[in-house]
Amino acid sequence: DAGVIQSPRHEVTEMGQEVTLRCKPISGHDYLFWYRQTMMRGLELLIYFNNNVPIDDSGMPEDRFSAKMPNASFSTLKIQPSEPRDSAVYFCASSFTSVNQPQHFGDGTRLSIL
Amino acid sequence: AQSVAQPEDQVNVAEGNPLTVKCTYSVSGNPYLFWYVQYPNRGLQFLLKYITGDNLVKGSYGFEAEFNKSQTSFHLKKPSALVSDSALYFCAVMFSGGYNKLIFGAGTRLAVHP
Repeated sequence: DAGVIQSPRHEVTEMGQEVTLRCKPISGHDYLFWYRQTMMRGLELLIYFNNNVPIDDSGMPEDRFSAKMPNASFSTLKIQPSEPRDSAVYFCASSFTSVNQPQHFGDGTRLSIL
Repeated sequence: AQSVAQPEDQVNVAEGNPLTVKCTYSVSGNPYLFWYVQYPNRGLQFLLKYITGDNLVKGSYGFEAEFNKSQTSFHLKKPSALVSDSALYFCAVMFSGGYNKLIFGAGTRLAVHP
């Protein structure tokens, strides 16, 4: 089975530009999570969805960040406008509904804002 | 509130020696505990989980973890370390409020020396 697929793997852009990160979860998974990882702050949960509905976006740092899940097989995380402090590795993960099921992570998008 | 502590930023061990990566937790209710490993430029990979039952849980790559309720610990162990085990290890507890949300520790870097 294919795992969680994220694109692009690397993104370099200039401050002020819009950035869109994409995620395809594992087929059949009901939950989708977006994380950010930095050296300073470690792994942070940004937002998560259940059956395409956002459940908790309290981890989204600012209004510049938004996430959507238009269907069960696709989600986006958008930053507009981007700032240098947004530079990080962004991970998407998905899981089944059952409470003891692990989350499966994609390999992330390494984002650099110049 | 749920929380996870990994008291060691880094663990150093010689190849062939046993290794232990420590994790303590704080939860309300029954703990659902997980270990993940992260290799460079990759996403987190699930290693093992404790839901209920035997206190010694076996997982991938020869790893195991011991659940100790009285000490609220869930330490990761391996009898004989390999250089290829060098990576970043995360302990996590499932949020008891549901929604499959995980609370991650800060991570422990394991360095196995030849």
